[in-house]
Amino acid sequence: EPEVTQTPSHQVTQMGQEVILRCVPISNHLYFYWYRQILGQKVEFLVSFYNNEISEKSEIFDDQFSVERPDGSNFTLKIRSTKLEDSAMYFCASSEFLAPDTEAFFGQGTRLTVV
Amino acid sequence: KNQVEQSPQSLIILEGKNCTLQCNYTVSPFSNLRWYKQDTGRGPVSLTIMTFSENTKSNGRYTATLDADTKQSSLHITASQLSDSASYICVVTPTGGSYIPTFGRGTSLIVHP
Repeated sequence: EPEVTQTPSHQVTQMGQEVILRCVPISNHLYFYWYRQILGQKVEFLVSFYNNEISEKSEIFDDQFSVERPDGSNFTLKIRSTKLEDSAMYFCASSEFLAPDTEAFFGQGTRLTVV
Repeated sequence: KNQVEQSPQSLIILEGKNCTLQCNYTVSPFSNLRWYKQDTGRGPVSLTIMTFSENTKSNGRYTATLDADTKQSSLHITASQLSDSASYICVVTPTGGSYIPTFGRGTSLIVHP
């Protein structure tokens, strides 16, 4: 069964460092998303991406964040200068069509720890 | 501000029993409401999706209901199994320009043998 894969599963980084979280969406999907979940908190939407452009982004997704689809399979989230409060589980998701009308499939997440 | 409130925060039941989880939302205008199951340390997995015109949707032992007038939804789990132990999250997506979903905090369900 096709699935969204994320690497690494756990990333530890020092405050101020740049990190890149990687995702391989399901191959025939066209819409891609990043979410984060701080430990013990609810899942929060970060950004949606379609046709090599950001479709929507939340207030959390400030200038420190960027997304990219560098090739035909990968979808990345970059945090330029990490802060302690960026520590969270980051989930990538993809859907065949725009999410409100279809199911989004989530990856297993990358746990980011900023020290 | 769009909000999704879930109750109870946590629930412990015995294997084989039924349970019902609640979700109240203020998202408007409303596109759809989803229930997800999230195992600890894993990504959410979709259980049901309902549009504003639907009032019930089933997926095996999971049945979701929706009352768009009162902005309430429930997820009923029948004949619970140990593997049902997880967090159950209600997610509401608006329409009318923005499709940013609002997640509830989830109900943590523990099923004991």
